[in-house]
Amino acid sequence: QVQLVESGGGVVQPGRSLRLSCAASGFTFSRYGVHWVRQAPGKGLEWVAVISYDGSNKYYADSVKGRFTISRDNSKNTVYLQMNSLRAEDTAVYYCARVLKAAAGTIDYWGQGTLVTVSS
Amino acid sequence: DIVMTQTPLSSPVTLGQPASISCRSSQSLVHSDGNTYLSWLQQRPGQPPRLLISKTSDRFSGVPDRFSGSGAGTDFTLKISRVEAEDVGVYYCMQATQFPLTFGGGTKVEIK
Repeated sequence: QVQLVESGGGVVQPGRSLRLSCAASGFTFSRYGVHWVRQAPGKGLEWVAVISYDGSNKYYADSVKGRFTISRDNSKNTVYLQMNSLRAEDTAVYYCARVLKAAAGTIDYWGQGTLVTVSS
Repeated sequence: DIVMTQTPLSSPVTLGQPASISCRSSQSLVHSDGNTYLSWLQQRPGQPPRLLISKTSDRFSGVPDRFSGSGAGTDFTLKISRVEAEDVGVYYCMQATQFPLTFGGGTKVEIK
């Protein structure tokens, strides 16, 4: 079955960096795009970034553009989110999620999420 | 960016009764390919979101048939024909027609 497992979250000081990983299994990873979506504590969902199946196309939310970088390693079935210059408002659960085939950017499967807390 | 507005914010429902959630987008969600990429997600307490409906009305694999989606253009609806206890949670609409992807603010379904 499709599985997405996030890791790398934790507590980090403002201005520092963190790298999240999303390990995929149960499907042909190299054929699917992957999103990162976040959810601040007690709040709604906010899309962060997406990467195409081959890594050739990437899009970012304005709130993270220039600070976050999405990448993937298809040999390791893993997507990464490098987060630099972190701010308090980046505190959230970060989910990776798979792009549904033939449905533009629609998301079908979600991971369990990893919590990032930005605090001094 | 496309703004997604959901109503109501909260929906107390009696078990076995229907529930309906509305979602309106600030612009048409019809993609250049002719499809409308409006999805509905369910988030149970303490769980990640789960896809219920894609492309306005396509029920995802394993989703009970008491869930149905409808709408067109800028106005969309999720209906639960008979609410069960396991349906408690927050429901989100989401558009994937253009980047950035955007979500509605969520509707909390709870049992009266």
